[in-house]
Amino acid sequence: AQRVTQPEKLLSVFKGAPVELKCNYSYSGSPELFWYVQYSRQRLQLLLRHISRESIKGFTADLNKGETSFHLKKPFAQEEDSAMYYCAPRLGGTASKLTFGTGTRLQVTL
Amino acid sequence: DAGVIQSPRHEVTEMGQEVTLRCKPISGHDYLFWYRQTMMRGLELLIYFNNNVPIDDSGMPEDRFSAKMPNASFSTLKIQPSEPRDSAVYFCASSLTSPGIGDGYTFGSGTRLTVV
Repeated sequence: AQRVTQPEKLLSVFKGAPVELKCNYSYSGSPELFWYVQYSRQRLQLLLRHISRESIKGFTADLNKGETSFHLKKPFAQEEDSAMYYCAPRLGGTASKLTFGTGTRLQVTL
Repeated sequence: DAGVIQSPRHEVTEMGQEVTLRCKPISGHDYLFWYRQTMMRGLELLIYFNNNVPIDDSGMPEDRFSAKMPNASFSTLKIQPSEPRDSAVYFCASSLTSPGIGDGYTFGSGTRLTVV
């Protein structure tokens, strides 16, 4: 079955510490992978996508096909990074349905 | 474009009442999605439409939930009768039919539903 797993519901780190939000998927084929972020009482917004190999707000995510993972990383956490983060795979083609993981709440404390 | 517009932002209703949530997708987007967000289950896809036609409603919890898309610029999600366990934030999102590689969804601000 196609599934995405974010094993941590809550991740609490100190400001300046490295962050890694885990995401594992089990999909046949080659899905596109996205990370979405939801700041407090705001709408979900696209953070980054694996195809772009970009760094947004200091975050990066590398697709590891061998481990079927797409972990989100940042070397130094900031207070403003506190939010809910959702990993979302999508199969390619015109079927653009995104399936979201259960999300990880990142809490950055001083 | 004002983005995906949802109304109302907040809804408080009594158990047993009918609730209607509304969504206006981005002009030109012809996929529309309804999601429900709860602490326990995260984001769950309820139903999605393509060109106003429901494609997959397997996520709709039960017959109390129904969704329509009468035209390309409007969709509703109705709960009748509502129950306290329906309390959640309901998000609408839209996307292109043939999204470019790497394109994601655009979400609305959500409707926070509380059923007492």
